[in-house]
Order: sequence, then C-alpha cells, then structure tokens
Amino acid sequence: EVHLVESGGGLVKPGGSLRLSCVVSGFTFSNAWMTWVRQAPGKGLEWVGHIKSETDGGTTDYAAPVKDRFIISRDDSKNTLSLEMNSLKTEDTAVYYCTPEIPWFDPWGQGTLVTVSS
Amino acid sequence: DIVMTQSPDSLAVSLGERATVNCKSSQSVFYSSNNKNFLAWYQQKPGQPPKLLIYWASTRESGVPDRFSGSGSGTDFTLTISSLQTEDVAVYYCQQYYSTPLTFGGGTKVEIK
Repeated sequence: EVHLVESGGGLVKPGGSLRLSCVVSGFTFSNAWMTWVRQAPGKGLEWVGHIKSETDGGTTDYAAPVKDRFIISRDDSKNTLSLEMNSLKTEDTAVYYCTPEIPWFDPWGQGTLVTVSS
Repeated sequence: DIVMTQSPDSLAVSLGERATVNCKSSQSVFYSSNNKNFLAWYQQKPGQPPKLLIYWASTRESGVPDRFSGSGSGTDFTLTISSLQTEDVAVYYCQQYYSTPLTFGGGTKVEIK
C-alpha cells in the first residue's frame, strides 16, 4: 500500500524559511515524478511545482507565485521529497500536500499546515 | 497557462438524483498523438486530502463507484454523479495535466437538497 507522510509545517514569520519533507513507501520512489500541491484555508487546490525522476533528468518546474523562492529536491536513497520555502509571505499559508505525478495525482498525503504570520 | 473554469460553484441535489459538474479549459487538453484528454477529476471531503476519481477525462479509478462518470473532449468536460448518495457530499475539482503549470478548476461544492 502506498503511503505519503508530510512533515515540517508550522508557524513562521513573513520573510522566514521552512523546509517540508514527504516520506513515501509502497512504490518505487526513484521512478516517480513528484509534485507539491497546496491549499489555502477554505480555498481550492494550487499546484506548487514538481520534480522529475532522475531518469527523466531530475529537473524541476514551479508555479509563478513560488518561483525563485521555493526549491523542490529529492533523495531517492531515503524515499524523501523536500520543499524548501524561502522569503515566505502570508499568502503562502496553506496545507501542503505531496503526491506522485502519474501524470494525474494519486494518492495524496494527509498534508502539513504552514502558517505564515507575524 | 491553461485556465480551468468550473461551474457551478455549488449545487444542491436530492438524494438519488443526478449531479452534474462542468469544467472548461482555456485551451484544448486533447493530445492527438495518443488520442487522449489530459484531464482528471478529484473528490475532496472536509478535513481530507483530495482523492482521484477519474483520469483521461473518462477512465474511472479502481474502486470508484460506477455512479461517477466523466465525459467531454477538447475544452469542455463533465463529471456526472448519476444517483447522489450521502457520502458524495464533497468538493469536486477538475485538473489538466496537459502542460505546466498544472492547473485546477476552482472547485464545485456538492450538497444534499
């Protein structure tokens, strides 16, 4: 059975940084493209970005609102996906989900809440 | 960027009746080389992560009840719940995976009338 467990969320001040992790099991992580999706409180889903498998180049793409502030990386030896978030803004407040990109998203982790507030 | 527009924002349907959610993309998500529409539907219940219902616009995910169906092609798509059940109360999202940035519709909240 596939499991994805996000962690690292919390309260951070505007301008601060935070690093999220997503540990996966139940599938061959190294072969998977992985995505981060976020959901602001009471709002819809927003794609944050993804990282391709190393076989496909290991490159990343980002949504415009987070480009140049967020960095997605992966450690295939630890089945772990990471999201480094810098220069955080109040509008980055959201639950952050990790999910394999099949190319659709399935399954999803339970998410981790990031709150950016002074 | 491909903009996904869902309608209505919310709808209330009686138990056992049909619910229809619409999704329109700002450009075609049909890929002629494999004859497929790069569109998925998700269900999100309160306090839970989204769950995949349908991919390739009309292929039901394993384990999803057959009262859920997807249709459409090009830029216009529909998710139909043929006979609404209590457990179907949720927000439904469409999503295109044709090109980055990958984008979602704004969501449609389905409730019981």
